Amino acid sequence: DIQMTQSPSSLSASVGDRVTITCRASQGISNYLAWFQQKPGKAPKSLIYAASSLQSGVPSKFSGSGSGAHFTLTISSLQPEDFATYYCQQYDSYPWTFGQGTKVEIK
Amino acid sequence: EVQLLESGGGLVQPGGSLRLSCAASGFTFSSYAMSWVRQAPGKGLEWVSAISGSGDRTYYADSVKGRFTISRDNSENALYLQMISLRAEDTAVYYCARGLTPWGQGTTVTVSS
Repeated sequence: DIQMTQSPSSLSASVGDRVTITCRASQGISNYLAWFQQKPGKAPKSLIYAASSLQSGVPSKFSGSGSGAHFTLTISSLQPEDFATYYCQQYDSYPWTFGQGTKVEIK
Repeated sequence: EVQLLESGGGLVQPGGSLRLSCAASGFTFSSYAMSWVRQAPGKGLEWVSAISGSGDRTYYADSVKGRFTISRDNSENALYLQMISLRAEDTAVYYCARGLTPWGQGTTVTVSS
Protein backbone atom coordinates (compact mmCIF):
# COMPACT_ATOMS: atom_id res chain seq x y z
CA ASP A 1 0.00 0.00 0.00
CA ILE A 2 1.11 3.57 -0.64
CA GLN A 3 1.77 5.54 2.56
CA MET A 4 1.03 9.25 2.61
CA THR A 5 2.87 11.44 5.11
CA GLN A 6 1.81 15.01 5.79
CA SER A 7 3.81 17.67 7.55
CA PRO A 8 3.36 19.41 9.82
CA SER A 9 0.67 17.60 11.83
CA SER A 10 -0.51 20.97 13.09
CA LEU A 11 0.37 24.61 12.73
CA SER A 12 -0.62 27.93 14.22
CA ALA A 13 -0.98 30.87 11.89
CA SER A 14 -2.46 34.34 11.80
CA VAL A 15 -5.08 35.78 9.48
CA GLY A 16 -3.29 36.92 6.34
CA ASP A 17 -0.43 34.46 6.63
CA ARG A 18 0.74 32.29 3.76
CA VAL A 19 0.57 28.64 4.76
CA THR A 20 2.15 25.61 3.10
CA ILE A 21 1.41 21.96 3.88
CA THR A 22 3.54 19.13 2.51
CA CYS A 23 2.48 15.63 1.53
CA ARG A 24 4.89 12.86 0.60
CA ALA A 25 4.02 9.52 -0.96
CA SER A 26 6.00 6.35 -0.23
CA GLN A 27 6.27 5.78 -3.98
CA GLY A 28 5.60 7.76 -7.11
CA ILE A 29 1.93 8.50 -7.79
CA SER A 30 2.31 10.74 -10.84
CA ASN A 31 -0.19 13.57 -10.17
CA TYR A 32 -2.98 11.42 -8.70
CA LEU A 33 -3.17 13.53 -5.56
CA ALA A 34 -6.13 15.32 -4.00
CA TRP A 35 -6.46 17.75 -1.11
CA PHE A 36 -9.46 17.99 1.22
CA GLN A 37 -10.56 20.48 3.86
CA GLN A 38 -12.59 19.34 6.85
CA LYS A 39 -14.22 21.51 9.49
CA PRO A 40 -15.44 20.07 12.81
CA GLY A 41 -18.60 18.01 12.48
CA LYS A 42 -18.67 18.38 8.70
CA ALA A 43 -17.91 16.11 5.76
CA PRO A 44 -14.60 16.68 3.99
CA LYS A 45 -14.66 19.02 1.02
CA SER A 46 -12.49 18.46 -2.03
CA LEU A 47 -10.25 21.43 -2.82
CA ILE A 48 -7.78 20.17 -5.40
CA TYR A 49 -7.46 17.16 -7.69
CA ALA A 50 -4.70 16.04 -10.04
CA ALA A 51 -2.22 17.72 -7.68
CA SER A 52 -2.86 21.24 -8.93
CA SER A 53 -6.38 21.54 -10.41
CA LEU A 54 -8.87 23.54 -8.39
CA GLN A 55 -12.29 22.00 -7.85
CA SER A 56 -15.17 24.11 -9.12
CA GLY A 57 -16.09 26.86 -6.69
CA VAL A 58 -12.89 26.67 -4.65
CA PRO A 59 -11.26 30.10 -4.22
CA SER A 60 -7.97 30.75 -5.95
CA LYS A 61 -6.18 31.42 -2.65
CA PHE A 62 -5.79 27.62 -2.56
CA SER A 63 -3.13 26.14 -4.83
CA GLY A 64 -1.46 22.79 -5.18
CA SER A 65 1.77 21.70 -6.74
CA GLY A 66 4.02 18.71 -7.15
CA SER A 67 4.23 15.40 -8.92
CA GLY A 68 5.77 12.02 -8.34
CA ALA A 69 6.07 11.73 -4.58
CA HIS A 70 6.25 15.29 -3.22
CA PHE A 71 3.28 17.64 -3.10
CA THR A 72 2.29 20.89 -1.44
CA LEU A 73 -0.91 22.75 -0.64
CA THR A 74 -0.59 26.49 -0.22
CA ILE A 75 -3.12 28.95 1.15
CA SER A 76 -1.98 32.36 -0.02
CA SER A 77 -3.68 34.52 2.62
CA LEU A 78 -5.27 32.70 5.51
CA GLN A 79 -8.79 33.80 6.39
CA PRO A 80 -10.92 32.89 9.43
CA GLU A 81 -12.95 30.38 7.40
CA ASP A 82 -9.75 28.49 6.45
CA PHE A 83 -9.02 27.25 9.95
CA ALA A 84 -9.66 23.54 9.55
CA THR A 85 -7.94 20.19 9.07
CA TYR A 86 -6.46 19.42 5.67
CA TYR A 87 -5.85 15.96 4.22
CA CYS A 88 -4.02 14.74 1.15
CA GLN A 89 -5.13 11.56 -0.61
CA GLN A 90 -3.56 9.45 -3.34
CA TYR A 91 -5.81 7.86 -5.93
CA ASP A 92 -3.10 6.39 -8.12
CA SER A 93 -3.85 2.84 -7.00
CA TYR A 94 -6.13 0.97 -4.63
CA PRO A 95 -6.28 1.00 -1.71
CA TRP A 96 -6.59 4.77 -1.82
CA THR A 97 -4.82 6.27 1.17
CA PHE A 98 -4.94 9.54 3.11
CA GLY A 99 -2.32 11.50 4.93
CA GLN A 100 -2.82 11.81 8.69
CA GLY A 101 -4.07 15.38 8.41
CA THR A 102 -2.77 18.86 9.20
CA LYS A 103 -4.75 20.96 11.67
CA VAL A 104 -4.49 24.68 10.94
CA GLU A 105 -5.21 26.70 14.09
CA ILE A 106 -5.44 30.37 14.90
CA LYS A 107 -2.34 31.91 16.45
CA GLU B 1 -27.52 19.50 -7.66
CA VAL B 2 -25.53 16.40 -6.79
CA GLN B 3 -26.67 14.91 -3.50
CA LEU B 4 -25.57 11.88 -1.51
CA LEU B 5 -27.54 10.81 1.55
CA GLU B 6 -26.27 8.01 3.78
CA SER B 7 -28.45 5.99 6.13
CA GLY B 8 -28.40 2.77 8.09
CA GLY B 9 -25.97 3.62 10.85
CA GLY B 10 -26.62 2.79 14.47
CA LEU B 11 -25.49 0.93 17.56
CA VAL B 12 -24.54 -2.72 17.05
CA GLN B 13 -22.87 -5.28 19.28
CA PRO B 14 -19.43 -6.68 18.47
CA GLY B 15 -19.81 -9.50 15.97
CA GLY B 16 -23.00 -8.01 14.62
CA SER B 17 -23.97 -6.83 11.16
CA LEU B 18 -25.19 -3.63 9.61
CA ARG B 19 -26.02 -2.46 6.09
CA LEU B 20 -25.35 1.12 5.11
CA SER B 21 -27.09 2.80 2.18
CA CYS B 22 -26.29 5.87 0.14
CA ALA B 23 -29.01 7.44 -1.99
CA ALA B 24 -27.64 9.40 -4.93
CA SER B 25 -29.35 12.08 -7.01
CA GLY B 26 -28.51 14.86 -9.44
CA PHE B 27 -26.15 12.92 -11.69
CA THR B 28 -25.93 9.82 -13.89
CA PHE B 29 -25.17 7.38 -11.11
CA SER B 30 -24.00 4.49 -13.29
CA SER B 31 -21.28 6.65 -14.85
CA TYR B 32 -19.35 7.08 -11.63
CA ALA B 33 -17.26 4.91 -9.37
CA MET B 34 -18.34 5.30 -5.77
CA SER B 35 -16.49 4.95 -2.50
CA TRP B 36 -16.99 4.59 1.23
CA VAL B 37 -14.64 6.43 3.59
CA ARG B 38 -14.79 6.37 7.38
CA GLN B 39 -13.56 8.49 10.24
CA ALA B 40 -13.20 7.11 13.75
CA PRO B 41 -13.92 9.55 16.59
CA GLY B 42 -11.14 12.11 16.80
CA LYS B 43 -9.13 10.39 14.07
CA GLY B 44 -8.27 10.95 10.42
CA LEU B 45 -9.89 9.70 7.25
CA GLU B 46 -9.67 6.05 6.22
CA TRP B 47 -10.69 4.89 2.75
CA VAL B 48 -12.79 1.71 3.09
CA SER B 49 -14.02 0.47 -0.28
CA ALA B 50 -14.82 1.43 -3.85
CA ILE B 51 -16.90 0.06 -6.71
CA SER B 52 -16.83 0.77 -10.43
CA GLY B 53 -19.74 2.40 -12.20
CA SER B 54 -21.02 -0.88 -13.60
CA GLY B 55 -20.41 -2.69 -10.34
CA ASP B 56 -18.12 -5.31 -11.84
CA ARG B 57 -15.02 -4.23 -9.96
CA THR B 58 -14.71 -3.78 -6.21
CA TYR B 59 -11.83 -2.78 -3.96
CA TYR B 60 -11.33 -2.96 -0.19
CA ALA B 61 -8.98 -1.78 2.52
CA ASP B 62 -7.14 -4.63 4.19
CA SER B 63 -8.82 -3.71 7.49
CA VAL B 64 -12.27 -4.66 6.15
CA LYS B 65 -11.52 -7.24 3.48
CA GLY B 66 -13.60 -10.37 3.99
CA ARG B 67 -16.01 -8.60 6.38
CA PHE B 68 -17.43 -5.75 4.30
CA THR B 69 -19.11 -5.98 0.89
CA ILE B 70 -19.74 -2.99 -1.34
CA SER B 71 -22.50 -3.12 -3.92
CA ARG B 72 -24.71 -0.83 -5.95
CA ASP B 73 -28.10 -0.80 -7.65
CA ASN B 74 -27.89 1.50 -10.65
CA SER B 75 -31.61 1.22 -11.29
CA GLU B 76 -32.25 2.68 -7.83
CA ASN B 77 -29.27 5.09 -7.76
CA ALA B 78 -28.15 3.45 -4.54
CA LEU B 79 -24.84 2.41 -3.03
CA TYR B 80 -24.53 -0.09 -0.19
CA LEU B 81 -22.03 -1.34 2.33
CA GLN B 82 -22.82 -4.64 4.01
CA MET B 83 -20.77 -5.00 7.18
CA ILE B 84 -20.48 -8.24 9.15
CA SER B 85 -18.34 -9.41 12.08
CA LEU B 86 -18.19 -5.82 13.30
CA ARG B 87 -15.50 -4.82 15.77
CA ALA B 88 -15.10 -1.91 18.16
CA GLU B 89 -12.51 -0.44 15.80
CA ASP B 90 -15.15 -0.17 13.07
CA THR B 91 -16.83 2.57 15.11
CA ALA B 92 -16.80 5.64 12.89
CA VAL B 93 -18.73 8.06 10.75
CA TYR B 94 -19.11 6.46 7.34
CA TYR B 95 -19.24 8.70 4.28
CA CYS B 96 -20.12 7.80 0.73
CA ALA B 97 -18.40 9.75 -2.03
CA ARG B 98 -18.70 10.09 -5.78
CA GLY B 99 -15.10 9.69 -6.83
CA LEU B 100 -13.30 12.54 -5.09
CA THR B 101 -16.33 14.79 -4.76
CA PRO B 102 -18.85 15.31 -3.38
CA TRP B 103 -19.29 13.45 -0.11
CA GLY B 104 -22.46 12.77 1.81
CA GLN B 105 -23.03 14.05 5.33
CA GLY B 106 -22.16 10.68 6.87
CA THR B 107 -23.87 8.08 9.02
CA THR B 108 -22.55 7.00 12.41
CA VAL B 109 -21.78 3.37 13.25
CA THR B 110 -21.09 2.48 16.87
CA VAL B 111 -19.91 -1.03 17.73
CA SER B 112 -20.24 -1.59 21.44
CA SER B 113 -21.74 -4.02 23.94
